[in-house]
Amino acid sequence: TQLLEQSPQFLSIQEGENLTVYCNSSSVFSSLQWYRQEPGEGPVLLVTVVTGGEVKKLKRLTFQFGDARKDSSLHITAAQPGDTGLYLCACHSGGYQKVTFGTGTKLQVIP
Amino acid sequence: ETGVTQTPRHLVMGMTNKKSLKCEQHLGHNAMYWYKQSAKKPLELMFVYNFKEQTENNSVPSRFSPECPNSSHLFLHLHTLQPEDSALYLCASSQVGGGGDNEQFFGPGTRLTVL
Repeated sequence: TQLLEQSPQFLSIQEGENLTVYCNSSSVFSSLQWYRQEPGEGPVLLVTVVTGGEVKKLKRLTFQFGDARKDSSLHITAAQPGDTGLYLCACHSGGYQKVTFGTGTKLQVIP
Repeated sequence: ETGVTQTPRHLVMGMTNKKSLKCEQHLGHNAMYWYKQSAKKPLELMFVYNFKEQTENNSVPSRFSPECPNSSHLFLHLHTLQPEDSALYLCASSQVGGGGDNEQFFGPGTRLTVL
């Protein structure tokens, strides 16, 4: 089973601060996804990255796929309380339909 | 109703009870999934159904029994569960094929507590 390690596990920051969360594995991925899960809800897809070195931006969120396609990072600029949630990376493993999720980073942004 | 719905949202059951979780997707997708999310483990895939056929059983104990009568509905039948089965059970759907990225659309989950 492919293991996706995310760090940090927990993060509590003040509104307006910047942060970066990481997703790492020893395996190479064809693609990697980032989801956000808010309390009481299921995860929602934020982005899919496919090409090594790729950078995608979604408003204040910047996603990067490592050159070797083994890792990814998510950077949030000027965090807002609405960014609070569980951030999960995910990859397809053992077949297109089998999605493996990372260990998660729980983010709390304090007003 | 839109998206993926799940009922009930909360369930408390004893170890000898039998209950069922229901999931319905209104997105016209051809694949549905059950996941388990517990406090100390990553989100775990349990079952995959593709066009109503089960294509994945991720070594799930037989006390969990899935049923997919059509491509829009998915059930998870529960019997003789253990306290360690307490978790959030999430249903998801996706459209497989057509060159997409297999984005998973999740329901809000059923919070299950086994006493």
